[in-house]
Amino acid sequence: GAVVSQHPSWVICKSGTSVKIECRSLDFQATTMFWYRQFPKQSLMLMATSNEGSKATYEQGVEKDKFLINHASLTLSTLTVTSAHPEDSSFYICSANPGTSGANVLTFGAGSRLTVL
Amino acid sequence: QKEVEQDPGPLSVPEGAIVSLNCTYSNSAFQYFMWYRQYSRKGPELLMYTYSSGNKEDGRFTAQVDKSSKYISLFIRDSQPSDSATYLCAMGSGGSYIPTFGRGTSLIVHP
Repeated sequence: GAVVSQHPSWVICKSGTSVKIECRSLDFQATTMFWYRQFPKQSLMLMATSNEGSKATYEQGVEKDKFLINHASLTLSTLTVTSAHPEDSSFYICSANPGTSGANVLTFGAGSRLTVL
Repeated sequence: QKEVEQDPGPLSVPEGAIVSLNCTYSNSAFQYFMWYRQYSRKGPELLMYTYSSGNKEDGRFTAQVDKSSKYISLFIRDSQPSDSATYLCAMGSGGSYIPTFGRGTSLIVHP
């Protein structure tokens, strides 16, 4: 089946540093990928839609300069949390539609837990 | 009113019980209906999806969609402790790739 790989699964960083999270579609091409954020015991919050070869589309209230998204190839999207602060600590999950099911059926990565000290 | 409503629980049941998880929605344009299972500190895993109305069965899991009532259900038969997780419903209209998620129901199956 379609697999979305996400790396790293867990990262701890100091306040003020930047962290990059990678999302790869392993056995399919993804022109579009989605980045979600999830707080404990909360649902998924869509942050942005990543488009291959063009700028990402950010949801209202998400700082594009804080959360930089790059989708340089059909199998790789990256999320960089710049100048991270403790309030950025969260669970970040990427997803994509492999095209084998319906239009809205997404496959998710395993998630990346970010802890900012 | 949110587009998708889902009781967060927790729902606690004994092993072997039949579990019923539900979502209601308000957007009549929704055509795709999905159920995801999410274990703690992991990404959501697609369990089942249904297009339009009807039932779908996969092993111990049955998904039902009632579009007239704007109500979807996931039934788990012979529940196991390994079924303990958060179950998220999601739905979409097909025109956009972005589904709308419920907030998830936490299920605890105790031995």
